[in-house]
This record gives sequence, structure tokens and C-alpha cells, in this order.
Amino acid sequence: QKEVEQDPGPLSVPEGAIVSLNCTYSNSAFQYFMWYRQYSRKGPELLMYTYSSGNKEDGRFTAQVDKSSKYISLFIRDSQPSDSATYLCAISNQGGKLIFGQGTELSVKP
Amino acid sequence: DAGITQSPRHKVTETGTPVTLRCHQTENHRYMYWYRQDPGHGLRLIHYSYGVKDTDKGEVSDGYSVSRSKTEDFLLTLESATSSQTSVYFCAISEGGNSGNTIYFGEGSWLTVV
Repeated sequence: QKEVEQDPGPLSVPEGAIVSLNCTYSNSAFQYFMWYRQYSRKGPELLMYTYSSGNKEDGRFTAQVDKSSKYISLFIRDSQPSDSATYLCAISNQGGKLIFGQGTELSVKP
Repeated sequence: DAGITQSPRHKVTETGTPVTLRCHQTENHRYMYWYRQDPGHGLRLIHYSYGVKDTDKGEVSDGYSVSRSKTEDFLLTLESATSSQTSVYFCAISEGGNSGNTIYFGEGSWLTVV
């Protein structure tokens, strides 16, 4: 079993839709949770970072962590074609190395 | 822009030849990483460095070696390239420490081994 599981998609939605991207993890020691966005043929860029259960909001993006269920989510409101990218979740424990999910490919259609 | 430069950005090489990828940072971050990204596997850590001349293996280190003689440079060497090493290679940096490990990536190096 992989330490981090992420549905690879692809996921296709119409412009303006709410998008939900999800990851599950197996080790309760993980404390830090990140979401990266990767455009085609580019390096991943950090989108959201959180280290606690609950929600963190940044503009149209909300990161949600449920440590009891070992489940993390990224919500995108009012999705735009420019949001079309691959989204990777990443987790780590204190001082540890990051472990990445496989990435979910998102396409937002105009 | 995270201040990371990878070179070369694209390379085609023959099986059995040595290849070196270079990562240069301008952020003076302590930690540097080499990842590879493949379909179905996501990003996997090859090697990382936590200081000059201090390196350690990641989960897919076989067939790769690294060196870090200066804070700003981290080299990844494929001693004898194989077709299974055809991949996209990303360098990354972080300040490290115990506050979580937020890392920033370079733009990638596309390597094809024929």
C-alpha cells in the first residue's frame, strides 16, 4: 500500500464548477500537508501549506485536512481554464522528507 | 521564481554513457533534492543533500550518484545510463529544519536514454 494515495483522474469540469481533489494517507505521524500545482512541462509550484486539521483558505482555493480520517482535500471554487493543471498532494512528518501523491490531472473547459 | 536553475533542460543520450545533471540555486538554502517524475509513479526522491558534502539516499537511488561541493550546486550523475532512467528530473530546495519541509522546484530536465 502506498503511503499516499491520489486518484490520477483525469478530471474534466466546466468553467465555474467547484472542484474537489482528494488524497488519503496511511501514517498518522504525518503532520504537514501541501498541495502543489504543476502546469504541463513545468516544475511543481507550492499552492497551499497546512499543518493542522481544519480548513485553510486562499482566494478560490481551500485546503482541508481531516487527521482522524487521514484524508486531505483541495477545493477550487469558480474554476477557470487557467486552473487546468496537475495537482499533487504532499505530506511529511516533522523534519522528514516529503511524500507525494501521484497527482490528479484537471481540465477546466470554457 | 524559486531561484533554481537546472541544466541541461533537455538531453538525449545513449545507453551506457555517463550523464550529469546540474542544479544551481541562488537562495542559499541548506537542503537540495533530486526527484524523478514518471507516469503512474508521481515524484520520487532519488537523493538529497543537507549540506556541503552531506548527502543521503532517497527511495530510488540505485544507478545514481550525487555530489555537493558548494552550497549552491547539486549534481546528479548517472554513471551508465539505462533506458529505465528516461524521465523528467526535478531539482528542489528547502530551508529544511523541523517546521515542515516546504520545498520549491526547478523547471525540470528532460532526459531520454536511447
